Amino acid sequence: NAGVTQTPKFRILKIGQSMTLQCTQDMNHNYMYWYRQDPGMGLKLIYYSVGAGITDKGEVPNGYNVSRSTTEDFPLRLELAAPSQTSVYFCASSFPDSGNTIYFGEGSWLTVV
Amino acid sequence: AQKVTQAQTEISVVEKEDVTLDCVYETRDTTYYLFWYKQPPSGELVFLIRRNSFDEQNEISGRYSWNFQKSTSSFNFTITASQVVDSAVYFCALSARGKLIFGQGTELSVKP
Repeated sequence: NAGVTQTPKFRILKIGQSMTLQCTQDMNHNYMYWYRQDPGMGLKLIYYSVGAGITDKGEVPNGYNVSRSTTEDFPLRLELAAPSQTSVYFCASSFPDSGNTIYFGEGSWLTVV
Repeated sequence: AQKVTQAQTEISVVEKEDVTLDCVYETRDTTYYLFWYKQPPSGELVFLIRRNSFDEQNEISGRYSWNFQKSTSSFNFTITASQVVDSAVYFCALSARGKLIFGQGTELSVKP
């Protein structure tokens, strides 16, 4: 019973490098989300998806891209990493707004130096 | 547009005191869901409660209670007889048409 799995858990990037944070869920959830949480701050929505092939911007999408080719996977791409993208990233998933709870991954700690 | 406001950034209480965490939300949708999550120092997000927009009944679960009032767009959370283990950051969240956003969080510190 894996739930929501994020990889990698920790990563150090140099300024200007690119990387992809992987997120996969095995619960057949339609909705998936990516958040970032800066130290001492709340969760900010980067992108979300209501189903395969459908993605939408959240509150802080600049500097990121996503794709949703399958129900299970929702990778987050960082292009040209900047120090401002140093954060903890959380992936989450849920069924549509039927009242089901939202399942979070354990988080990915990213440092850009 | 959706918005969640938790005006209290930090709250400090002494053990056994009651404490209320405020949450005010904005949405144009008539169908939406409200949540409270707890984030202890270990960092994981712990689900506490979910409410849909058509259910204004207050709820009590042990020492926790929630007051949902659509007239004031508020979904407040009260901890009765607080304990040191309640120390954490608490987030209120709003979900509508697939978009889930969080408030800034309230850091609760319960001192012995």
